[in-house]
Order: sequence, then structure tokens, then C-alpha cells
Amino acid sequence: EPEVTQTPSHQVTQMGQEVILRCVPISNHLYFYWYRQILGQKVEFLVSFYNNEISEKSEIFDDQFSVERPDGSNFTLKIRSTKLEDSAMYFCASGRRVGTEAFFGQGTRLTVV
Amino acid sequence: EDQVTQSPEALRLQEGESSSLNCSYTVSGLRGLFWYRQDPGKGPEFLFTLYSAGEEKEKERLKATLTKKESFLHITAPKPEDSATYLCAALVEGSGSRLTFGEGTQLTVNP
Repeated sequence: EPEVTQTPSHQVTQMGQEVILRCVPISNHLYFYWYRQILGQKVEFLVSFYNNEISEKSEIFDDQFSVERPDGSNFTLKIRSTKLEDSAMYFCASGRRVGTEAFFGQGTRLTVV
Repeated sequence: EDQVTQSPEALRLQEGESSSLNCSYTVSGLRGLFWYRQDPGKGPEFLFTLYSAGEEKEKERLKATLTKKESFLHITAPKPEDSATYLCAALVEGSGSRLTFGEGTQLTVNP
């Protein structure tokens, strides 16, 4: 069964460092998303991506964040200068069409120290 | 502001003891209501999508229903392997493809 894969599963980084979280969405999906979940809190939307551009972003997704689809299979989230409060699980998701279910990866646990 | 609220926060059941989880929503216009299961340290796993009031979906021991104000996830004769956090999420008019999640209900089924 096709699935969304994310790497790495866990990343520890120093405050102020740049990190890139990687995702391979399901191959015939056109819509890509990043969500995050701070420990003990609800899953929060960050950004959606369609047709090689951002289609929507939340208030959390400020200038420190960027997304890219560098080739036909990968989808990345870059955090330019990490802060302690960026520590969270980051989930990539993909979907066939807008308005239909999104399928989530297993997540990358980001720890900023 | 769009809100999704789940209750109870936590629920303990004995194996075989049926129950329901609630997801109430206050949104400007609902385009879809999604249920996910999340195991500890894992990503949400898709269960159901409901689009209109009165709609029902079933899968094994789970049945999801939708009204104009809330959704229920009914669990019939649960087993220990049904233990997980169940999340509901709303897709709202004018919000593109953004899902607004509730806090989840942590379900524990004891053998």
C-alpha cells in the first residue's frame, strides 16, 4: 500500500541552525501539506502546496519556513534559524484532490536544544 | 474563529464495552469532517470522511456519523488493539485545503 515517507525520523539541532525535513508523498497525489504537533497539543496546519507553489499557509508559517519540491518525488520543509519553540513532530501529508482525505507520514521529531 | 472540540479527553473501556466519541464543530461552513487514528509517536492514520449531515461510514468495529453540529465515532465491542488517540478534523469553507483538528480522545481498551 502506498504511503508517505519522511526522513529523518528524529533530528536534534542547535538553536539558530537550519534544518531540512524531507518527505516523499504518495506518487499520484497532487496536493502536499506540512503539519506540526507540539507535544501534548493538537495537530496544526502549516502550509499546503499545489502545482509547484504554496496555495495556503498559516500564521505559524513565517519567513523562517520555506517549502520546496526539488524534483518529481521529494517535498521538503526548511526552517532557516531554529528556535526552541520549533521543537515538535512535523508531519508531511499528501492528497489526490483538494477537499478529500490527506494521508500522513510517520513524522519527524525535531528537537531544538 | 473555527473550532473543533472533542470529548471526552480520555476514555477507558473494557474489551467488548461499546461507546461513542464526540466531535463538535463550530465553523463557518463545513466542507468535510475527517476521522483519524493516531498511535503514540506516529502520524495520523486516515479512517473516514463525512461530507453531509446524515451520512454514515463503517469500518470493522468503527462507525462514524455526522449531524449539522457534531460527529460521533461509535466503537462496537472494542478490542485492546483499538487503543489509540482518535482525532477529528474539519475542512472549512474558504480555508482551502487546511484541516482544523480537535485535541483528540485518548482511548484505552483493557483486556
